Amino acid sequence: SQTIHQWPATLVQPVGSPLSLECTVEGTSNPNLYWYRQAAGRGLQLLFYSVGIGQISSEVPQNLSASRPQDRQFILSSKKLLLSDSGFYLCAWRTSGIFSYEQYFGPGTRLTVT
Amino acid sequence: KNEVEQSPQNLTAQEGEFITINCSYSVGISALHWLQQHPGGGIVSLFMLSSGKKKHGRLIATINIQEKHSSLHITASHPRDSAVYICAVMNYGGSQGNLIFGKGTKLSVKP
Repeated sequence: SQTIHQWPATLVQPVGSPLSLECTVEGTSNPNLYWYRQAAGRGLQLLFYSVGIGQISSEVPQNLSASRPQDRQFILSSKKLLLSDSGFYLCAWRTSGIFSYEQYFGPGTRLTVT
Repeated sequence: KNEVEQSPQNLTAQEGEFITINCSYSVGISALHWLQQHPGGGIVSLFMLSSGKKKHGRLIATINIQEKHSSLHITASHPRDSAVYICAVMNYGGSQGNLIFGKGTKLSVKP
């Protein structure tokens, strides 16, 4: 069966520090991968998506970046965190293909930038 | 205007009440999802709909494609149903396959 892992579960980081959040998927190959963020009082918003290794598309201008070094690994990074980067970060995947509508979510990472 | 609007934003109910949460969207969609988010943040998928109606236990989800509207109903509500309920749509023809989310409805069921 398919499983999605995200870590860490919670993180408190000072402003200006780097960030690395990791997401891995098991039990499937060549998934479409997504990073979403939920800021306080707002809905989930797409940050990045990837349809394959090394292929990253960004939806929102920001100081974050994403990488996909392996088929089932998706990493969210920042060189210097801002207060506005605080929020709940969610990794998700779906089977590639235009008729694949089901989306699966990781447990999420709650990031607090102080 | 957001592409996905939910109402109400907050809802308090007494145990046993029938609950309805509404979702309206403004884009063409391939599918609509109802999700449940608990206080810790984790998200559980409740339903995925592209037409008609689905039922799972005490939960019922309906969608009207022509009116671009969906509802989530909870019958015989229970305190354990307390959570944030999120409507999300997959944009028709969108190559990314990402979801567009509503802001959520915070439900609190009192015993």
